[in-house]
Amino acid sequence: DQQVKQNSPSLSVQEGRISILNCDYTNSMFDYFLWYKKYPAEGPTFLISISSIKDKNEDGRFTVFLNKSAKHLSLHIVPSQPGDSAVYFCAARASSNTGKLIFGQGTTLQVKP
Amino acid sequence: GAGVSQTPSNKVTEKGKYVELRCDPISGHTALYWYRQSLGQGPEFLIYFQGTGAADDSGLPNDRFFAVRPEGSVSTLKIQRTERGDSAVYLCASSPLRASSYNEQFFGPGTRLTVL
Repeated sequence: DQQVKQNSPSLSVQEGRISILNCDYTNSMFDYFLWYKKYPAEGPTFLISISSIKDKNEDGRFTVFLNKSAKHLSLHIVPSQPGDSAVYFCAARASSNTGKLIFGQGTTLQVKP
Repeated sequence: GAGVSQTPSNKVTEKGKYVELRCDPISGHTALYWYRQSLGQGPEFLIYFQGTGAADDSGLPNDRFFAVRPEGSVSTLKIQRTERGDSAVYLCASSPLRASSYNEQFFGPGTRLTVL
């Protein structure tokens, strides 16, 4: 039972354009969501997060949107840069179990110069 | 170093052998987590510690897997009678203070375990 799903295994975007990565979840107990970026041979690096009391959180070029009714979140990267090329993981946590992150399968983003 | 470190970076073993994987969390972080990542998948939760005690071990797949954190800092993940299906990258993460809703987890580079 995949509680967090990233249905697009890969995404290719031209440098300077917007990258939109999507994530869906099924568990209504999730109340905190995170995005991690992972380069080959490295561990995931925290990028941005959002609490369920908000519908948007912005940090520089990165914005995360949360649609609770649709159980959907998205990460927008504007403008995209070649250094953004990596695997992006969406993760979720329930307040009842704050130590356990549930991850999606990941989306490989390629930003072409 | 300032980040989470894991040793060894790579481990190759034979089916049936015992392995230990070590994690050194960021200094001062009280919460420590273990995840396993198989090829093409996201990290899968195994266990987390708050201090020395395992607060949630619901992700350990079976009793061949065990983890300790005796002094509340370094942790060791132990796998007995390894099987080929145990091959994966084992990730360790830590976070400051208590595991709370607004604490991100900081990951190490992982140990790639290959069981032949």
